[in-house]
Amino acid sequence: RKEVEQDPGPFNVPEGATVAFNCTYSNSASQSFFWYRQDCRKEPKLLMSVYSSGNEDGRFTAQLNRASQYISLLIRDSKLSDSATYLCVVNGNSGGSNYKLTFGKGTLLTVNP
Amino acid sequence: DADVTQTPRNRITKTGKRIMLECSQTKGHDRMYWYRQDPGLGLRLIYYSFDVKDINKGEISDGYSVSRQAQAKFSLSLESAIPNQTALYFCATSDSHGPRQGNEQFFGPGTRLTVL
Repeated sequence: RKEVEQDPGPFNVPEGATVAFNCTYSNSASQSFFWYRQDCRKEPKLLMSVYSSGNEDGRFTAQLNRASQYISLLIRDSKLSDSATYLCVVNGNSGGSNYKLTFGKGTLLTVNP
Repeated sequence: DADVTQTPRNRITKTGKRIMLECSQTKGHDRMYWYRQDPGLGLRLIYYSFDVKDINKGEISDGYSVSRQAQAKFSLSLESAIPNQTALYFCATSDSHGPRQGNEQFFGPGTRLTVL
């Protein structure tokens, strides 16, 4: 299994749709999990952290299943401005220094009017 | 003003030339990173530095070198550029003392490098 694997898409959805992205990771000792957003030709920016209990930020909901080594991101009521690439990011650390973020290749989302 | 800046933003050079990409930050973070991004390959770590005297190789360091001149500055050099080093290069910072203990990384705007 690749370290962090995502469905590359692309996902094309109409405004107002609900869309879900999935991600799997290989290192069972990973400690931290994130979703980053990257607009075309721009730098990645943190969208949200992912906690074991699941967390929500407005229209965005992130879930983590440690047993299955699976992370998800749900976007409700999609907006045109949600069009971007979504990167699943995992801290690959197995203890000690927590520097190493491993990035998935990203899932491209286009929200259409 | 941007917290993490990179210069140049775009550069076209020829095979064999020495190139330096520079990164500066005003966030006061101790950790800095260099990544490259290629279509279909995602972001890959080249080098990282926890402090001025602490520099470490990432997963793809061959053909690159770095210098941490000060806590706020981290430069990436290509000693002899080759075409497969054509990519988008990002600098990033993180704070080991922050609430996420350095996990969240803040990226610069990127440098688009083309090696002919």
